[in-house]
Formats: sequence, structure tokens, C-alpha cells
Amino acid sequence: DAGVTQSPTHLIKTRGQHVTLRCSPISGHKSVSWYQQVLGQGPQFIFQYYEKEERGRGNFPDRFSARQFPNYSSELNVNALLLGDSALYLCASSLGAGGSKETQYFGPGTRLLVL
Amino acid sequence: GDSVTQMEGPVTLSEEAFLTINCTYTATGYPSLFWYVQYPGEGLQLLLKATKADDKGSNKGFEATYRKETTSFHLEKGSVQVSDSAVYFCALSLLGYPTGGGNKLTFGTGTQLKVEL
Repeated sequence: DAGVTQSPTHLIKTRGQHVTLRCSPISGHKSVSWYQQVLGQGPQFIFQYYEKEERGRGNFPDRFSARQFPNYSSELNVNALLLGDSALYLCASSLGAGGSKETQYFGPGTRLLVL
Repeated sequence: GDSVTQMEGPVTLSEEAFLTINCTYTATGYPSLFWYVQYPGEGLQLLLKATKADDKGSNKGFEATYRKETTSFHLEKGSVQVSDSAVYFCALSLLGYPTGGGNKLTFGTGTQLKVEL
């Protein structure tokens, strides 16, 4: 079975632009979470979606938004890009969002560079 | 708030040496604990997990025991290989977090492991 897939793999943008990142979860998984990993740091939680509803949001500005589609795939949108948004953006999927015992499986990430 | 602290790297070992990477956590409840591994240029792979106190997670020769009394989840391997070179992340997840469900992961800063011949 295919794992979590993300597109694109790499992206270069300039400050002030907008970006959309995409994620397809493992088949049968209904929850998608997004994380930002700055170079040399651990991933930071951005959003979790389950059954198309937002279940949690991390400490990120309103420039970050996301949505989940009926097929459980997801998009992460970032407006008005800043240099500090340069990072690896990771998507993770899990069967549900029902508790801490759920295992999250990560995709390969999208590497965003903002110039 | 909830947090994870890992030993700083890089950790450099010779092949077949014993590995310990320390991880301690602070949490308001009873978290599940995870170790993820990240190879260069790749995403995160789940290495092992433990969901309650005294549980031992194991995979590919790696082990970690959930110690509630010391709030620790140290990663160990008896004999490392060059192919184990990667960055290792300890993480926790709390029931019902962030709100009424959900399973946000809180990560440590990662420990880079380099294994030499």
C-alpha cells in the first residue's frame, strides 16, 4: 500500500507570495496533521483535521490555513510568505483522531524555500 | 506546557558500539511516547512506541522503556551499524489534546547519530 504522499517535493517562492502544499493520506486514514520542521529543529504542530473538521491548531499565525477534502486529502495554504517560513513541511496521517495511542505516519515532506 | 528534552548531538560511535539516547518529558497527563527516525533528505519514520508506564517498545534492535517515575523514554541499541546513522526524535502525544480529541505530537529537538566503521 502507498504511504503518505506529498506534493510538490521542493518549492521556491519569494516573500509575500502564497503557497499551497498537498497531502494524500494512507488509504483508510481519516486524519491528517501538518507540521513545520525548521532546519536543525524538531517538527512543530500546525493543524490537525479529521473528517474535514479542524481538530487542533498550533501556535501559528492566521497566514496559515488548511482544509481537508471528502477523500481525506488535505491542503496547507500559507499567505504573505516570510523568510522564516522556509522549512520542511510534513504531513502525517492516522486512522482517527481519537486519542494519544493513534500512530501518525509521515510523508516525505515538502521543502519550501522563501527568498 | 508539555515538552520533550533530548540529549544534544551529534553522537558519534564506532560500528557495533552500544547506543543510548536520553529522552525526558514533561506532561500534564499520561502521554504516549514515540521514537521517530529521520534519514537525510527524508521524512520521519516511526521507530517504536509505548502507550503506558512500564511498556517497552522495540523494533530493528532498538528498545525504549516508558518510565513514569523518572519521566523518561531512553532509546537503546546493543550494536549499532553504519546504516543507523540518522537523526532520532523523541515525541509525546496526550489523550484529548489539543481539544476534545486529537493526537498532536510534541517533539524534542532531535539527536544526530553518526556511526563510523
